[in-house]
Amino acid sequence: DVKVTQSSRYLVKRTGEKVFLECVQDMDHENMFWYRQDPGLGLRLIYFSYDVKMKEKGDIPEGYSVSREKKERFSLILESASTNQTSMYLCASSLRGDTQYFGPGTRLTVL
Amino acid sequence: GIQVEQSPPDLILQEGANSTLRCNFSDSVNNLQWFHQNPWGQLINLFYIPSGTKQNGRLSATTVATERYSLLYISSSQTTDSGVYFCAALNNAGNMLTFGGGTRLMVKP
Repeated sequence: DVKVTQSSRYLVKRTGEKVFLECVQDMDHENMFWYRQDPGLGLRLIYFSYDVKMKEKGDIPEGYSVSREKKERFSLILESASTNQTSMYLCASSLRGDTQYFGPGTRLTVL
Repeated sequence: GIQVEQSPPDLILQEGANSTLRCNFSDSVNNLQWFHQNPWGQLINLFYIPSGTKQNGRLSATTVATERYSLLYISSSQTTDSGVYFCAALNNAGNMLTFGGGTRLMVKP
Protein backbone atom coordinates (compact mmCIF):
# COMPACT_ATOMS: atom_id res chain seq x y z
CA ASP A 1 0.00 0.00 0.00
CA VAL A 2 1.09 3.52 -0.79
CA LYS A 3 1.75 5.54 2.31
CA VAL A 4 1.91 9.33 2.41
CA THR A 5 2.53 10.85 5.81
CA GLN A 6 2.45 14.45 6.99
CA SER A 7 4.35 15.73 9.97
CA SER A 8 1.41 17.11 11.95
CA ARG A 9 -2.37 16.69 11.94
CA TYR A 10 -2.95 19.99 13.73
CA LEU A 11 -0.70 23.02 13.97
CA VAL A 12 -1.19 26.44 15.56
CA LYS A 13 1.22 29.26 14.70
CA ARG A 14 1.38 33.01 15.17
CA THR A 15 1.38 35.66 12.45
CA GLY A 16 4.87 36.23 11.13
CA GLU A 17 6.27 32.85 12.16
CA LYS A 18 8.11 30.65 9.68
CA VAL A 19 6.20 27.39 9.23
CA PHE A 20 7.42 24.09 7.79
CA LEU A 21 5.01 21.37 6.69
CA GLU A 22 6.65 18.07 5.89
CA CYS A 23 5.42 15.28 3.64
CA VAL A 24 7.00 11.86 3.15
CA GLN A 25 6.02 9.09 0.72
CA ASP A 26 7.37 5.55 0.66
CA MET A 27 6.59 4.47 -2.92
CA ASP A 28 9.46 6.04 -4.85
CA HIS A 29 7.05 8.37 -6.66
CA GLU A 30 8.55 11.05 -8.91
CA ASN A 31 5.74 13.54 -8.42
CA MET A 32 4.75 15.22 -5.18
CA PHE A 33 2.13 17.92 -4.62
CA TRP A 34 0.91 20.42 -2.05
CA TYR A 35 -2.73 21.54 -2.01
CA ARG A 36 -4.77 23.66 0.30
CA GLN A 37 -8.45 23.10 0.92
CA ASP A 38 -10.84 25.83 1.99
CA PRO A 39 -14.62 25.79 2.41
CA GLY A 40 -16.33 26.83 -0.80
CA LEU A 41 -13.06 26.88 -2.76
CA GLY A 42 -12.28 23.18 -2.95
CA LEU A 43 -8.72 21.90 -3.35
CA ARG A 44 -6.23 24.21 -5.01
CA LEU A 45 -2.71 23.30 -6.06
CA ILE A 46 0.06 25.35 -4.44
CA TYR A 47 3.22 23.73 -5.82
CA PHE A 48 4.31 20.45 -7.26
CA SER A 49 7.61 18.72 -7.89
CA TYR A 50 8.39 16.16 -10.59
CA ASP A 51 11.90 15.35 -9.41
CA VAL A 52 14.46 16.10 -6.72
CA LYS A 53 15.27 19.82 -6.60
CA MET A 54 12.62 20.52 -9.27
CA LYS A 55 9.46 22.50 -8.59
CA GLU A 56 6.61 24.05 -10.49
CA LYS A 57 4.09 26.65 -9.37
CA GLY A 58 0.50 25.62 -9.11
CA ASP A 59 -2.55 27.85 -9.04
CA ILE A 60 -1.84 29.72 -5.79
CA PRO A 61 1.92 29.81 -5.03
CA GLU A 62 2.01 33.30 -3.52
CA GLY A 63 3.20 33.31 0.07
CA TYR A 64 4.64 29.79 -0.13
CA SER A 65 7.85 28.09 -1.11
CA VAL A 66 8.83 24.43 -1.33
CA SER A 67 11.87 22.25 -0.99
CA ARG A 68 12.62 18.79 -2.34
CA GLU A 69 16.11 17.67 -1.40
CA LYS A 70 15.26 13.95 -1.36
CA LYS A 71 12.86 12.01 -3.56
CA GLU A 72 10.68 10.85 -0.69
CA ARG A 73 10.29 14.20 1.06
CA PHE A 74 8.54 17.41 -0.04
CA SER A 75 8.36 20.40 2.29
CA LEU A 76 6.01 23.36 2.16
CA ILE A 77 7.33 26.56 3.73
CA LEU A 78 5.40 29.60 4.84
CA GLU A 79 8.12 32.23 5.19
CA SER A 80 5.96 34.59 7.26
CA ALA A 81 2.62 33.05 8.16
CA SER A 82 -0.49 35.18 7.83
CA THR A 83 -4.04 34.61 9.03
CA ASN A 84 -5.28 34.05 5.47
CA GLN A 85 -3.06 30.97 5.34
CA THR A 86 -5.22 29.26 7.92
CA SER A 87 -6.36 26.20 6.02
CA MET A 88 -6.20 22.44 5.56
CA TYR A 89 -3.00 21.45 3.74
CA LEU A 90 -2.89 18.19 1.82
CA CYS A 91 0.13 16.49 0.34
CA ALA A 92 -0.01 13.92 -2.47
CA SER A 93 2.35 11.81 -4.52
CA SER A 94 2.15 9.90 -7.78
CA LEU A 95 4.03 8.26 -10.57
CA ARG A 96 3.93 10.39 -13.71
CA GLY A 97 0.46 10.26 -15.25
CA ASP A 98 -0.84 7.94 -12.56
CA THR A 99 -3.19 8.12 -9.61
CA GLN A 100 -2.39 10.64 -6.86
CA TYR A 101 -2.31 9.35 -3.29
CA PHE A 102 -3.01 11.76 -0.47
CA GLY A 103 -1.74 12.14 3.04
CA PRO A 104 -4.05 12.69 6.04
CA GLY A 105 -3.76 16.48 5.92
CA THR A 106 -2.54 19.18 8.30
CA ARG A 107 -5.01 21.67 9.76
CA LEU A 108 -3.02 24.88 10.19
CA THR A 109 -4.35 27.77 12.24
CA VAL A 110 -2.50 31.09 12.13
CA LEU A 111 -3.41 33.44 14.98
CA GLY B 1 -6.88 25.47 -17.64
CA ILE B 2 -9.35 22.66 -17.24
CA GLN B 3 -12.64 23.48 -15.53
CA VAL B 4 -14.35 20.76 -13.50
CA GLU B 5 -17.92 21.02 -12.26
CA GLN B 6 -19.78 18.63 -10.01
CA SER B 7 -23.46 18.20 -9.32
CA PRO B 8 -25.36 18.19 -7.12
CA PRO B 9 -23.42 20.18 -4.54
CA ASP B 10 -25.37 18.58 -1.68
CA LEU B 11 -27.29 15.34 -1.42
CA ILE B 12 -29.24 13.75 1.42
CA LEU B 13 -30.21 10.11 1.14
CA GLN B 14 -32.02 7.60 3.26
CA GLU B 15 -29.93 4.52 3.98
CA GLY B 16 -30.46 1.94 1.25
CA ALA B 17 -31.15 4.47 -1.53
CA ASN B 18 -29.18 4.73 -4.75
CA SER B 19 -27.62 7.89 -6.16
CA THR B 20 -25.72 9.26 -9.14
CA LEU B 21 -23.11 12.00 -8.89
CA ARG B 22 -22.02 13.85 -12.00
CA CYS B 23 -18.73 15.43 -13.04
CA ASN B 24 -18.34 17.61 -16.16
CA PHE B 25 -14.98 18.73 -17.44
CA SER B 26 -14.21 21.43 -19.98
CA ASP B 27 -11.41 19.95 -22.04
CA SER B 28 -9.85 16.68 -23.05
CA VAL B 29 -8.08 15.13 -20.10
CA ASN B 30 -5.45 12.49 -19.53
CA ASN B 31 -7.49 10.83 -16.82
CA LEU B 32 -10.27 11.26 -14.31
CA GLN B 33 -10.20 10.33 -10.63
CA TRP B 34 -12.94 10.03 -8.04
CA PHE B 35 -12.18 10.50 -4.33
CA HIS B 36 -14.12 10.22 -1.10
CA GLN B 37 -13.12 12.57 1.70
CA ASN B 38 -14.06 11.13 5.06
CA PRO B 39 -15.08 13.23 8.08
CA TRP B 40 -11.44 13.33 9.26
CA GLY B 41 -10.30 14.93 6.02
CA GLN B 42 -8.56 11.95 4.45
CA LEU B 43 -8.96 11.71 0.68
CA ILE B 44 -9.47 8.12 -0.36
CA ASN B 45 -9.03 7.01 -3.96
CA LEU B 46 -12.15 5.43 -5.40
CA PHE B 47 -11.57 5.19 -9.14
CA TYR B 48 -8.97 6.10 -11.72
CA ILE B 49 -11.05 6.00 -14.89
CA PRO B 50 -10.08 7.66 -18.22
CA SER B 51 -12.98 6.01 -20.03
CA GLY B 52 -15.42 3.16 -19.73
CA THR B 53 -16.92 1.69 -16.58
CA LYS B 54 -15.38 0.28 -13.42
CA GLN B 55 -17.01 -1.29 -10.41
CA ASN B 56 -15.88 -1.75 -6.84
CA GLY B 57 -18.50 -3.26 -4.56
CA ARG B 58 -21.48 -0.94 -4.25
CA LEU B 59 -19.70 1.81 -6.17
CA SER B 60 -19.23 2.11 -9.90
CA ALA B 61 -18.03 4.86 -12.21
CA THR B 62 -18.43 5.61 -15.88
CA THR B 63 -16.45 8.14 -17.89
CA VAL B 64 -17.48 9.22 -21.38
CA ALA B 65 -14.39 11.13 -22.44
CA THR B 66 -15.76 12.19 -25.83
CA GLU B 67 -18.66 13.93 -24.09
CA ARG B 68 -16.51 15.17 -21.19
CA TYR B 69 -18.37 13.78 -18.23
CA SER B 70 -18.08 11.10 -15.59
CA LEU B 71 -20.68 9.57 -13.29
CA LEU B 72 -20.28 7.93 -9.89
CA TYR B 73 -23.02 5.52 -8.85
CA ILE B 74 -23.61 4.59 -5.24
CA SER B 75 -26.02 1.73 -4.69
CA SER B 76 -27.64 0.66 -1.42
CA SER B 77 -26.09 3.61 0.38
CA GLN B 78 -24.84 3.25 3.96
CA THR B 79 -24.20 5.85 6.65
CA THR B 80 -20.47 5.26 6.20
CA ASP B 81 -20.78 6.59 2.64
CA SER B 82 -21.33 10.07 4.06
CA GLY B 83 -18.69 12.66 3.29
CA VAL B 84 -17.60 14.68 0.29
CA TYR B 85 -17.04 13.14 -3.13
CA PHE B 86 -14.61 14.85 -5.46
CA CYS B 87 -13.80 14.25 -9.06
CA ALA B 88 -10.51 15.51 -10.45
CA ALA B 89 -9.25 15.74 -14.02
CA LEU B 90 -5.62 15.07 -14.88
CA ASN B 91 -4.20 17.34 -17.59
CA ASN B 92 -2.68 15.97 -20.77
CA ALA B 93 0.85 16.49 -19.46
CA GLY B 94 -0.07 14.01 -16.72
CA ASN B 95 1.15 16.16 -13.87
CA MET B 96 -1.68 18.37 -12.58
CA LEU B 97 -5.07 17.51 -11.14
CA THR B 98 -7.91 20.00 -11.21
CA PHE B 99 -10.62 19.30 -8.65
CA GLY B 100 -14.33 19.91 -8.87
CA GLY B 101 -16.14 21.60 -6.03
CA GLY B 102 -17.34 18.30 -4.57
CA THR B 103 -20.69 16.74 -3.69
CA ARG B 104 -21.44 16.63 0.03
CA LEU B 105 -23.39 13.44 0.76
CA MET B 106 -25.25 12.70 3.95
CA VAL B 107 -26.80 9.26 4.38
CA LYS B 108 -29.36 9.11 7.15
CA PRO B 109 -30.11 5.88 9.05
